[in-house]
Parts: sequence; structure tokens; C-alpha cells
Amino acid sequence: LAKTTQPISMDSYEGQEVNITCSHNNIATNDYITWYQQFPSQGPRFIIQGYKTKVTNEVASLFIPADRKSSTLSLPRVSLSDTAVYYCLVGPDNYGQNFVFGPGTRLSVLP
Amino acid sequence: DGGITQSPKYLFRKEGQNVTLSCEQNLNHDAMYWYRQDPGQGLRLIYYSQIVNDFQKGDIAEGYSVSREKKESFPLTVTSAQKNPTAFYLCASATREPSGTQYFGPGTRLTVL
Repeated sequence: LAKTTQPISMDSYEGQEVNITCSHNNIATNDYITWYQQFPSQGPRFIIQGYKTKVTNEVASLFIPADRKSSTLSLPRVSLSDTAVYYCLVGPDNYGQNFVFGPGTRLSVLP
Repeated sequence: DGGITQSPKYLFRKEGQNVTLSCEQNLNHDAMYWYRQDPGQGLRLIYYSQIVNDFQKGDIAEGYSVSREKKESFPLTVTSAQKNPTAFYLCASATREPSGTQYFGPGTRLTVL
């Protein structure tokens, strides 16, 4: 089971780029890295997923170094509505056996 | 309109009563999950099911029960044996592909009076 470590909280200002790093030192060869966003009293929402190198979609970018022992979620030009908890998950699959949500990173975007 | 629905949104229960939370999905996903979330905490896995008529315990299954009679439905019963059931309950579904991501419902907030 690949355990992940993220900062508990981060603050940013509107318009800035935010980078949240997740450590997963014992990631397995067939593990994917997935990030979710959760607003209060709502279910988590999928943001981005990657296996290696860089992945970009309309919402975020995910940077994964060659050793895959960490990954960085990058949110460009954040707004107040990006204030949420962000979870990093690592696993060989999403079937549930080895799927652990830690406390996540609480991002606060300030005006 | 595809997605996952959970009902009710808010639920109040007296101590000693069983209560069933509904979860339905029309995404044609094989796998379904139930999580519990306490204030300020991450999600903890209660039960999951990969196929119809089969399910496995997660990390905190004690005091809960589930059934999977249909692919679309995965109801969770919170029994009177669950000592501290007040929490936010989330249902999710996913494909069985190795990279399949989980899609979550809106959640049910259960309060024991």
C-alpha cells in the first residue's frame, strides 16, 4: 500500500499559481497517481490523473518526476472558488482494496 | 443525465434504530464504494463491491451492512451496533480498469439524536 504525505494546509492569493506536492516513496510500478478536490459537504471530484512525466487538462497540471516518488499538482491562477481540500491518492487500481484517502491539503485562497 | 445519486441528503435517527442510505448510479460502473467522513478528516472506506452479489469489508465495516443485488444500486445500512454513526456518508462508483477513477455522489449527512 503506497502511503502518501501532503501538507495539511496552504494559503494563496487570487491569481497566483498554487503547487501542492505529494510524497509517495513506496509507489509500485503499476500505481497511478490521482488527485481529487472536495468542497465542504460535497463528494470529492476527480481533477487529474497521471502515471509519469506531465499531464495537463483544462483544470490543472500534474508533474511526476522520473523516480515517481512524488508528484505536484499545479493550479494556475487560482480564484476564491478553488478554496477546497485536495487529496492525492496512489494505487494500482480504484477497486477499493488499497485506496486510502488521507486528510488531504486544505487550500485557502484569499482575495 | 448520468451520475450517482444518494438519498436522503439529511437523515436523523434515534439511538438504537437501523437506517438505510440509498446509492444509485447509471454510469454502468461495476465497482461501488461506501465511505465515511468525520469533520476535518479524510474518507474512510466502509464497504466496496466489484460485481453484483459480491462485496468486501473496508477499514471500518463494523456496525454497517450492505447489499449489491443490482449493478446500479448499493444501499448501506447503519445498524444500532455502530457506536458513533453521526457522520457524512459518501457513495462512489468506478470502472474496473486499473486507471478507473471514482465518481462520488453528493453525500448523506446522518445525525443520531
